[in-house]
Amino acid sequence: GQNIDQPTEMTATEGAIVQINCTYQTSGFNGLFWYQQHAGEAPTFLSYNVLDGLEEKGRFSSFLSRSKGYSYLLLKELQMKDSASYLCAVRARTDKLIFGTGTRLQVFP
Amino acid sequence: DVKVTQSSRYLVKRTGEKVFLECVQDMDHENMFWYRQDPGLGLRLIYFSYDVKMKEKGDIPEGYSVSREKKERFSLILESASTNQTSMYLCASSLTGTGLTLSYQPQHFGDGTRLSIL
Repeated sequence: GQNIDQPTEMTATEGAIVQINCTYQTSGFNGLFWYQQHAGEAPTFLSYNVLDGLEEKGRFSSFLSRSKGYSYLLLKELQMKDSASYLCAVRARTDKLIFGTGTRLQVFP
Repeated sequence: DVKVTQSSRYLVKRTGEKVFLECVQDMDHENMFWYRQDPGLGLRLIYFSYDVKMKEKGDIPEGYSVSREKKERFSLILESASTNQTSMYLCASSLTGTGLTLSYQPQHFGDGTRLSIL
């Protein structure tokens, strides 16, 4: 079967660092995506990993270990506007994505 | 920037009605998708299309159909709406990459339609 797990909720303080984990078990792997979704808005693309290692993009970084079926999204220097849901999605085959249920991050002052 | 436009942000319909949700993208993307998003369940794929007049079932196609007569437009149809189809519906589109970019192409989402079936 296809399964993607991520924590349901996380909280953090403004200025801190937070790591959101995602583990997956899928039949096939052709890349892992992270999306950000603010309440009532469309998901927006954040990052993509297909090879093992860390991809850095400003305050956001994403890591992948294919052998462990594991990824994380690292958010540094947290800001209030980072309060949102973060969706992990795996492309198992073709152009279909399998989404996790999302992690709701609340950033407090 | 990619623009994916869904025809309505909010829609209220009655049980048994035939409901049409429309989605248009302006970037000549080959692939288009319909998802529904429910609390605790995440995004679930209903149908997708990788070319005009082509469609494939996703994970939860029951009670839905789709139409793709033109490349830029992908319609979701609820044949006979039921209360368990009350949900947020999201449309997305993506380019089919080739070679090294084959798996890189992200999906771009519309703002969603919050559909209530009474």
